[in-house]
Amino acid sequence: DGGITQSPKYLFRKEGQNVTLSCEQNLNHDAMYWYRQDPGQGLRLIYYSQIVNDFQKGDIAEGYSVSREKKESFPLTVTSAQKNPTAFYLCASSMAGSYGYTFGSGTRLTVV
Amino acid sequence: GIQVEQSPPDLILQEGANSTLRCNFSDSVNNLQWFHQNPWGQLINLFYIPSGTKQNGRLSATTVATERYSLLYISSSQTTDSGVYFCAVPNSGGYQKVTFGTGTKLQVIP
Repeated sequence: DGGITQSPKYLFRKEGQNVTLSCEQNLNHDAMYWYRQDPGQGLRLIYYSQIVNDFQKGDIAEGYSVSREKKESFPLTVTSAQKNPTAFYLCASSMAGSYGYTFGSGTRLTVV
Repeated sequence: GIQVEQSPPDLILQEGANSTLRCNFSDSVNNLQWFHQNPWGQLINLFYIPSGTKQNGRLSATTVATERYSLLYISSSQTTDSGVYFCAVPNSGGYQKVTFGTGTKLQVIP
């Protein structure tokens, strides 16, 4: 079955460390997105990518980085510059020209 | 940018009851989506509804684009309906970006 796989489901990070969250899709979608969700809050866009080797900053990109070397993959790195990284991170994808999103199951990141 | 507000923010229902969730947006849109986020965090697309009415089982949605609102109806609610419901509309920044609403947290009790 086609879908989006995020890993790991839970991640613990020590302060000062960089961590990378994985997002893989086999839907043949062109566009991919990363969202952050804080407890009791909505979703805020971190980065998005329309095509391979191209990506754009969203509303809260500071302290994060991404790459898009393959159509299927859009990993997110949470750097030590992100001062408050504890959150739930969601990856999504959509077909070119479509606003219909498919979401992964998310990664819960906790800084310890 | 476009503002998206949902009401009510919280809702508690007895199993079997009906409910209506509302999504208001500040600018004209050419599409709108409703999502359900289950208690484990998974977001599922319920409807893609730029205008008119759609129904899927016990759920239905209506969007009146000219009046800038959409409604999600849940009939005969079940405990599995619990979670948070979000609406999302295109962001004026383009590139298939969407802006999510503030969400309605629904709890259905047996």
